[in-house]
Amino acid sequence: GAVVSQHPSWVICKSGTSVKIECRSLDFQATTMFWYRQFPKQSLMLMATSNEGSKATYEQGVEKDKFLINHASLTLSTLTVTSAHPEDSSFYICSVPGALVGTDTQYFGPGTRLTVL
Amino acid sequence: AQSVTQLDSHVSVSEGTPVLLRCNYSSSYSPSLFWYVQHPNKGLQLLLKYTSAATLVKGINGFEAEFKKSETSFHLTKPSAHMSDAAEYFCVVSVGAGGTSYGKLTFGQGTILTVHP
Repeated sequence: GAVVSQHPSWVICKSGTSVKIECRSLDFQATTMFWYRQFPKQSLMLMATSNEGSKATYEQGVEKDKFLINHASLTLSTLTVTSAHPEDSSFYICSVPGALVGTDTQYFGPGTRLTVL
Repeated sequence: AQSVTQLDSHVSVSEGTPVLLRCNYSSSYSPSLFWYVQHPNKGLQLLLKYTSAATLVKGINGFEAEFKKSETSFHLTKPSAHMSDAAEYFCVVSVGAGGTSYGKLTFGQGTILTVHP
């Protein structure tokens, strides 16, 4: 399967600071990537769709000014959590759709665990 | 709109006995359905997927699932549980081409599988 990497794998930051998380598609180019958030003991919730060459599309209830997404290239999307607060502590996961049109398969990164003190 | 309901938050079985993880879905369009497994501190791994071909889908590690449209179900089974199967399992629905949310995944709440010796 396709390899998707995330960096960092975990990060601890102080309240009020910003944190950038990278998602890289190592096997193929991706015009679209997805960002999910998973709170402890909960399921994954889609936050936004990262689109190469255009603005990200955010799901209802997700603050676009707080969670900045930049699809810098066909293999890289970044999620920046701005002015992080303890309630932003979560597991952030990105996914990349399969290269074959119509397969509907997605490949997930290993996730980034963010802890805001 | 699409949704997924996993009927059991926890399932506990003995090693060597059958596994049944239940999933019901709703979708306005013909869905693609997936089962993913998440081991502690590891990324999501695709077990199997249904994309309108055969209704009985075989996946990795001996798992299989049957798509039953009349029951809107996609239950995951395995004839004989192994200790290494202990993990959290997610049933996921995706609306394919023809729906407006192509590529977006909706996750169930997750089922934690415990395997006893």
